[in-house]
Amino acid sequence: GAVVSQHPSWVICKSGTSVKIECRSLDFQATTMFWYRQFPKQSLMLMATSNEGSKATYEQGVEKDKFLINHASLTLSTLTVTSAHPEDSSFYICSARDIVAGGVDTQYFGPGTRLTVL
Amino acid sequence: KQEVTQIPAALSVPEGENLVLNCSFTDSAIYNLQWFRQDPGKGLTSLLLIQSSQREQTSGRLNASLDKSSGRSTLYIAASQPGDSATYLCAANPYSGNTPLVFGKGTRLSVIA
Repeated sequence: GAVVSQHPSWVICKSGTSVKIECRSLDFQATTMFWYRQFPKQSLMLMATSNEGSKATYEQGVEKDKFLINHASLTLSTLTVTSAHPEDSSFYICSARDIVAGGVDTQYFGPGTRLTVL
Repeated sequence: KQEVTQIPAALSVPEGENLVLNCSFTDSAIYNLQWFRQDPGKGLTSLLLIQSSQREQTSGRLNASLDKSSGRSTLYIAASQPGDSATYLCAANPYSGNTPLVFGKGTRLSVIA
């Protein structure tokens, strides 16, 4: 099946620094990728929809200037957490959309990135 | 707006027991529904995907059913094992296209040896 990777798998940074998280579709092209955030013992909450070659669409309450998304190619989307603060500590998961054989439209999820801001 | 609810929030069962996890969704106009497993601190593992035209899907000891008219899906786990302990998430795909999945809060399952 399709594989989505994320890098890094975990990161610890100081408050005020910026962190970039990469999401790659390894064996398929993804025109659409989604970024989710998951706080401890909570479910996944959509942050933004990333479309290749265009601006991302952010969910209500998500600051676009703080969470910068760049989908520069069909296999790579990046999420940059700018001026990170402890409240941004979370598990960030991306997914990539693919239409597989038979026309089944599904999403494949990356393994997630654990961000800890000190 | 689609909302997904999972009951119970947590479940503890002895090894070998058969169990059912429940998922309900408010908008029956879904494209497909997916069940995932998530281990602590890990990403999502897709277990079963049911298209809107299907009634159920099976994989090994897992069976997922879908009743669009009532807005319900169940995940049946047969002969549970300690290795099944994880959080199980149900997610509805509202529409084929640039739409994200809508997740429930999950059911935390503990299978006691």
